[in-house]
Amino acid sequence: NAGVTQTPKFQVLKTGQSMTLQCAQDMNHNSMYWYRQDPGMGLRLIYYSASEGTTDKGEVPNGYNVSRLNKREFSLRLESAAPSQTSVYFCASRRLAGTVESPLHFGNGTRLTVT
Amino acid sequence: GDSVTQMEGPVTLSEEAFLTINCTYTATGYPSLFWYVQYPGEGLQLLLKATKADDKGSNKGFEATYRKETTSFHLEKGSVQVSDSAVYFCALSEGRGGTSYGKLTFGQGTILTVHP
Repeated sequence: NAGVTQTPKFQVLKTGQSMTLQCAQDMNHNSMYWYRQDPGMGLRLIYYSASEGTTDKGEVPNGYNVSRLNKREFSLRLESAAPSQTSVYFCASRRLAGTVESPLHFGNGTRLTVT
Repeated sequence: GDSVTQMEGPVTLSEEAFLTINCTYTATGYPSLFWYVQYPGEGLQLLLKATKADDKGSNKGFEATYRKETTSFHLEKGSVQVSDSAVYFCALSEGRGGTSYGKLTFGQGTILTVHP
């Protein structure tokens, strides 16, 4: 029962490099999300996809792009990494956006360091 | 906008002690409230939830009551165990009357350490 799978688990980048964080879920969920977690700031929403074929900005989208490749997969891309993007990134999915009773299911996170 | 404020940690307790982690919120509409738990090296897991005023969510000995009059959702457990050591997040999701697209607003998290 895999749930939400994120790759890679760890990554170190130099300033200006690019990379893509991968996320896949096997629960047939419609909605998928990318959060970043920073000390003392909780989780902040970067982008989300309420359903296949749609994506929208969250509260901290600058410096990121996303692709909802299909119903299962939702990737996060950093085009030109900056030290301020050093963080732990979590992907999450939910059966349906807008249904408050439907909980988020989280992956185990990607720890990214930008030097 | 919506916001969630949790008591600052870290919280350190001895096994079998009583736990309270305070959480207050501001929101429009009728939010649902959640507690999530994050164990070391893992993602967040839903611990409990309450979807309307006066509801009590409970799971694994933890409880929280949705208090609309005080805009609070405090987490409690009568007797903590070492295995409860984790980071606890309070969160809200707008419901009826709000722009409900599944966005959760999280508090900053409270680190709990339980010693034997």
